Amino acid sequence: EIVMTQSPVTLSVSPGERATLSCRASQSVRSHLAWYQQKPGQAPRLLMYGAATRATGIPARFSGSGSGTEFTLTISSLQSEDFAVYYCQQYNNWPPLTFGGGTKVEI
Amino acid sequence: QVQLQESGPGLVKPSETLSLTCTVSGGSMSSYYWSWIRQPPGKGLEWIGYIDYSGSTSYNPSLKSRVTISADTSKNHFSLKLSSVTAADTAVYYCARLGAVVLSNWCDPWGQGTLVTVSS
Repeated sequence: EIVMTQSPVTLSVSPGERATLSCRASQSVRSHLAWYQQKPGQAPRLLMYGAATRATGIPARFSGSGSGTEFTLTISSLQSEDFAVYYCQQYNNWPPLTFGGGTKVEI
Repeated sequence: QVQLQESGPGLVKPSETLSLTCTVSGGSMSSYYWSWIRQPPGKGLEWIGYIDYSGSTSYNPSLKSRVTISADTSKNHFSLKLSSVTAADTAVYYCARLGAVVLSNWCDPWGQGTLVTVSS
């Protein structure tokens, strides 16, 4: 099973600042990585797939990069609606699909 | 667009079987995998398994001995059964559509989720 590790666990950022979230895989997942955003009391929402492709309707301030075992999600200028928990998920080698433990982006 | 909605009991007794249904609206169940994912309170996401249109299934090895996913494509719904539940199975259970093309296996969209508590 591929283990996904996200860091930091909590990221404190001010509105308008840049946020950089990391996701590491225990073995290469090539570019087969997705990112999700989850707000309190809501289901996760797909943000990115293929490590760097924004899902439909996702603003351009979200960008993804990386391949192999190291990935980054960047939010270029945080808006109030971006404060949430972010999860990465690999789909290169499964079952099982595996998720990271999440990064909470807080004010 | 496709929407998913979970339904089922919110309280299950220890050692009993958890049963949930996910109703798919706005689209066909063909050409995708249909998945269950859970999230214990305050914790991360755990993939449970999927079923495809033909009825083929795949489960997380950590839960495989207790999980059954089935589907009724004529009614556009699929179901989860988890047997011999304990307090550790208390979680919000989500259903989601999973891409079926090789290496397109991300979850989108998701249902709103339903909290299932295991308690006597």
